[in-house]
Amino acid sequence: KQEVTQIPAALSVPEGENLVLNCSFTDSAIYNLQWFRQDPGKGLTSLLLIQSSQREQTSGRLNASLDKSSGRSTLYIAASQPGDSATYLCAVSSGNKLVFGAGTILRVKS
Amino acid sequence: GAGVSQSPSNKVTEKGKDVELRCDPISGHTALYWYRQSLGQGLEFLIYFQGNSAPDKSGLPSDRFSAERTGGSVSTLTIQRTQQEDSAVYLCASSRDHSGNTIYFGEGSWLTVV
Repeated sequence: KQEVTQIPAALSVPEGENLVLNCSFTDSAIYNLQWFRQDPGKGLTSLLLIQSSQREQTSGRLNASLDKSSGRSTLYIAASQPGDSATYLCAVSSGNKLVFGAGTILRVKS
Repeated sequence: GAGVSQSPSNKVTEKGKDVELRCDPISGHTALYWYRQSLGQGLEFLIYFQGNSAPDKSGLPSDRFSAERTGGSVSTLTIQRTQQEDSAVYLCASSRDHSGNTIYFGEGSWLTVV
């Protein structure tokens, strides 16, 4: 059974800092890995999708890496801003569904 | 439409009543998913549709839960005889197909059973 773990559970940083969110998964047989953002009371917004054959994806200040063999992914956020405050969810595509981690709650202080 | 649309956005119902939640996926998306997010919990998979068929219903928590999809488009999640533990956000998502494409989520239907 696929299990996804995200560390840390919560993170508070001052504006401008670079930060790394971690995701690990137990079964390396995945199609892809996706990072989402969820704002309070809202649905999920897809940030980055990494196919199983890829090592990383970049979008603006975000960079996500994937090491399938070790079951790890990181989301790197450069020059963090207060608007980045949200819950960040990692999900792996396993079988017919996405299996989600519990998320990292990020607060960027101005 | 431009995104995944869900209705109602909020629903308060009395214990024991039936509720229907609707999802309108992005036009052309053949794969549709239902997830549940309880307060302070992660996302729990409920059911997956490919076209109108549901090859994976493994996440439905009990026989009070059912879902259908018609015309390869709109899906309805029905909860019969609601219980207080059914209170959660029900999130629908769609993707172009089931081969590794980005999955897009709706804003969710917030269900409160009182």
